[in-house]
Amino acid sequence: DAGVIQSPRHEVTEMGQEVTLRCKPISGHDYLFWYRQTMMRGLELLIYFNNNVPIDDSGMPEDRFSAKMPNASFSTLKIQPSEPRDSAVYFCASSLVILGNEQFFGPGTRLTVL
Amino acid sequence: AQKITQTQPGMFVQEKEAVTLDCTYDTSDQSYGLFWYKQPSSGEMIFLIYQGSYDEQNATEGRYSLNFQKARKSANLVISASQLGDSAMYFCAMREGTEGNEKLTFGTGTRLTIIP
Repeated sequence: DAGVIQSPRHEVTEMGQEVTLRCKPISGHDYLFWYRQTMMRGLELLIYFNNNVPIDDSGMPEDRFSAKMPNASFSTLKIQPSEPRDSAVYFCASSLVILGNEQFFGPGTRLTVL
Repeated sequence: AQKITQTQPGMFVQEKEAVTLDCTYDTSDQSYGLFWYKQPSSGEMIFLIYQGSYDEQNATEGRYSLNFQKARKSANLVISASQLGDSAMYFCAMREGTEGNEKLTFGTGTRLTIIP
């Protein structure tokens, strides 16, 4: 298994531009998570999906952020418009079940908004 | 109140010594889970160990064990015989809530440095 795949690995963009981060979870995993990691705030759960349905998006910072999961093998996290304070590492993770099961993290996307 | 508290921002430990990384949690749920993850300098998050609130035995995975003290709401990670490769950030995390309405919270992490 290739593990959780994220693209791009690095993204540099200018303030105001739209940014789309992509994630392919491990095949067969029912749960998909999006996290953001910064020095100031640590690791924050933004949103998670169960069987492609968003379950909890209370961690999404504001309306500029949106996430979709059109099918079991693909998810996107979109920021529009991007701002410098969105600069962070964004992780995608997947798991078989949420209760008592480990999450497998992708390598992360390092986003820099200038 | 913080859901997960890791009071040690950084630790330095001599190689081959045992290490205990502290984690306390706050929840009113009866059923919850506690996790430890390792994040080396390369950035990836690596699952280490899991403890369920109803598990009577402390979880162990190789050199990792979780010292679960439910009454004290602590879930400390113990690494035996530390190695240079153990140098990394370590995060404690908690899953709480009911199925379909779970919450996941991570602590702020502890940076562990193993000294040769």
